[in-house]
Amino acid sequence: SQKIEQNSEALNIQEGKTATLTCNYTNYSPAYLQWYRQDPGRGPVFLLLIRENEKEKRKERLKVTFDTTLKQSLFHITASQPADSATYLCALAGGAGNMLTFGGGTRLMVKP
Amino acid sequence: NAGVTQTPKFQVLKTGQSMTLQCAQDMNHEYMSWYRQDPGMGLRLIHYSVGAGITDQGEVPNGYNVSRSTTEDFPLRLLSAAPSQTSVYFCASTKTRGAANNEQFFGPGTRLTVL
Repeated sequence: SQKIEQNSEALNIQEGKTATLTCNYTNYSPAYLQWYRQDPGRGPVFLLLIRENEKEKRKERLKVTFDTTLKQSLFHITASQPADSATYLCALAGGAGNMLTFGGGTRLMVKP
Repeated sequence: NAGVTQTPKFQVLKTGQSMTLQCAQDMNHEYMSWYRQDPGMGLRLIHYSVGAGITDQGEVPNGYNVSRSTTEDFPLRLLSAAPSQTSVYFCASTKTRGAANNEQFFGPGTRLTVL
């Protein structure tokens, strides 16, 4: 069955360092991959979208890579700040085009 | 624009009761969807709609009904609530018909407890 895995353990890093979050998937051939941020008690907020034929996408301090051979996406936040502390969700979409499947999310804690 | 709004924010039901979770968007988006979020399970798609009058099932549709009579509104109905439906429910919308290659805008969520 299709599976999306994100590290369920919280990632703790020091302010100013680069945070790297991982999204692995199996039995899936996604055409698109999206990353969202979710703060406690709030709905997810869209961050970035990357297509299967794109290796890398950047937006300000954010960078996403998409390796369809390894079946993995990496999400980087450079020069991290305490305000970046949140849960980050990856979501994949296959050929149907109308359904996104989400991973369980990874909680990031940036300490000052 | 208010974006995606959901009511109520919190709700407690007894087993067997029915209720409707409301969702509305004022962005003229074609695609709307309902997710439930449970600890450790991530967001799971319940139902979605690609336009007024068109709905389809997602990953976990059992126990839920939807309708889309207007572009703006996409209510989710629980006909006979069960404790397994205790969860946080999120409504989302997307500008065009496909959720895959478009940003989804999420509402603030409804926290539902079924006793």
